[in-house]
Amino acid sequence: DSGVTQTPKHLITATGQRVTLRCSPRSGDLSVYWYQQSLDQGLQFLIQYYNGEERAKGNILERFSAQQFPDLHSELNLSSLELGDSALYFCASSVGQGEWYEQYFGPGTRLTVT
Amino acid sequence: DQQVKQNSPSLSVQEGRISILNCDYTNSMFDYFLWYKKYPAEGPTFLISISSIKDKNEDGRFTVFLNKSAKHLSLHIVPSQPGDSAVYFCAASEDSNYQLIWGAGTKLIIKP
Repeated sequence: DSGVTQTPKHLITATGQRVTLRCSPRSGDLSVYWYQQSLDQGLQFLIQYYNGEERAKGNILERFSAQQFPDLHSELNLSSLELGDSALYFCASSVGQGEWYEQYFGPGTRLTVT
Repeated sequence: DQQVKQNSPSLSVQEGRISILNCDYTNSMFDYFLWYKKYPAEGPTFLISISSIKDKNEDGRFTVFLNKSAKHLSLHIVPSQPGDSAVYFCAASEDSNYQLIWGAGTKLIIKP
């Protein structure tokens, strides 16, 4: 158990809809990262927050947005969903900028868009 | 454009032998390289890392080798155990932007 929790575990929704994925980092971790893993692909970095502020941005679509709240949990919002958004979405956390590369991952949320 | 490539989608190794997983990269600005291990239905788990100032890093049965001139790194697992069966991801980053670039993964199967 990495200490990172993600909800929900599975999500099935229709095209055009909007969903919110939630992540709680390990206790004491200030950084949260979001990744997308499509079938048989590596993880694609989406976005990182550090202590409530956006720190780095990767290949995140404009239809997607994220935020980190004062209690350090984070939410990833996906809107106008398309079939191609079906993927595993992982959240990870790390202590901070000093050990950012040792990220602890949650179990992921599997999103299916029908 | 894949900056980090793991060209072997899968690898099968006899228990007790050495497993060698390979990773190639194209970006010469990468400073840190990492290996993560992933079991089904779980998130990736950090395994071992190496910075570009080193060419080798060991942690128990796991050793990562970095060849900067060839832009190649490898993970050696000796001896391989059944619990090592998992998908292994190579990842790399330029320290300046904290963003990890991941390979597509190699599925390692350890045969009894």
